[in-house]
Amino acid sequence: GESVGLHLPTLSVQEGDNSIINCAYSNSASDYFIWYKQESGKGPQFIIDIRSNMDKRQGQRVTVLLNKTVKHLSLQIAATQPGDSAVYFCAESEGNNRLAFGKGNQVVVIP
Amino acid sequence: DGGITQSPKYLFRKEGQNVTLSCEQNLNHDAMYWYRQDPGQGLRLIYYSQIVNDFQKGDIAEGYSVSREKKESFPLTVTSAQKNPTAFYLCASTKISSGANVLTFGAGSRLTVL
Repeated sequence: GESVGLHLPTLSVQEGDNSIINCAYSNSASDYFIWYKQESGKGPQFIIDIRSNMDKRQGQRVTVLLNKTVKHLSLQIAATQPGDSAVYFCAESEGNNRLAFGKGNQVVVIP
Repeated sequence: DGGITQSPKYLFRKEGQNVTLSCEQNLNHDAMYWYRQDPGQGLRLIYYSQIVNDFQKGDIAEGYSVSREKKESFPLTVTSAQKNPTAFYLCASTKISSGANVLTFGAGSRLTVL
């Protein structure tokens, strides 16, 4: 399959542990943020989003935290599973402007 | 099932040839996008279109062309003017609404120049 994770920051995590993936964004006016997951050879899939009027949002096994003061976004994955191995991208936008994507973080789950 | 379909999944091209990548969606989405992805890189926007018969250049439009004759279709042509076309190409679409930009992506097309 396609490898999009070459030379990316890599997080290795034991199966069952929690994962935290971090993202620093650049535009202080960004008001909408998204996390995507991309498995090898596939297109990115939406995981969770958050607006700037919130600092935390939870989904199924995932939580996104937003710290606007330091322009930092994180994705927490609870009880990491082998199927969570992928590249994770954060993206930001201001108003209805187009999304700006980060370079991605590779997550490798060790069975 | 609704979705976004890219074809072909793999494509080989000789230098100097134009190639066209197909992107079709049946999600009734208004906007469509083409991104390029290189190993270790984020997604870079090539072109996007918010309505039929209209499109805008993204950050790396040189050497590419698009058309939007139908709402469902947004083909990308990689021309011979693109100096380094080998890459993974992703098409995406979204419903235009206030403040939400969730893109739905296709599975991608891998172009290799021989």
